[in-house]
Amino acid sequence: DAMVIQNPRYQVTQFGKPVTLSCSQTLNHNVMYWYQQKSSQAPKLLFHYYDKDFNNEADTPDNFQSRRPNTSFCFLDIRSPGLGDAAMYLCATSGTRKGYNEQFFGPGTRLTVL
Amino acid sequence: SQQGEEDPQALSIQEGENATMNCSYKTSINNLQWYRQNSGRGLVHLILIRSNEREKHSGRLRVTLDTSKKSSSLLITASRAADTASYFCATDAAQGAQKLVFGQGTRLTINP
Repeated sequence: DAMVIQNPRYQVTQFGKPVTLSCSQTLNHNVMYWYQQKSSQAPKLLFHYYDKDFNNEADTPDNFQSRRPNTSFCFLDIRSPGLGDAAMYLCATSGTRKGYNEQFFGPGTRLTVL
Repeated sequence: SQQGEEDPQALSIQEGENATMNCSYKTSINNLQWYRQNSGRGLVHLILIRSNEREKHSGRLRVTLDTSKKSSSLLITASRAADTASYFCATDAAQGAQKLVFGQGTRLTINP
């Protein structure tokens, strides 16, 4: 089945220790997104790739970076995690069919910062 | 800036009853979507309604859209325990950006 896969599902890191979260998709979608979601809050878009074009949200901290080496994979790098970065990180994809841009989400990676 | 606002923030009903959630937004849209999120999981797309549509059905789901009031509602009929989840509305800007802005969500609990 076509899907969005995130690894790992749970990640524990130490304060200030770089961490990378990964996302892969078999949907062959052009667009890939990274969201941060804190408890009982809406998903907050960090950035997205339209093919190889990177689109950063204005309020995304510099501490967050992303890479998309090919269509299938996208990575979220947190250079120096702080306690406030503990959250669920959601990857999503969408195609570019005009007017129908529903997003397909992975199961998320829950990040704990000690 | 927050585009979608949802109410109620939390809703608890008995199994078999209908659940209605509302969403309001601020700017012109291409479409409005509803997503479900089970606890600790990713979001699942439920239904999309385009700006030129007023009502849409999918199984036990009914969505309405009133662009003059910039509001939408999601009705779940004959609720089941498995419907317990958070429900989010999401809108995209009419300019055609490939981005969605999510509302704060409604936490729905179905009591057996």
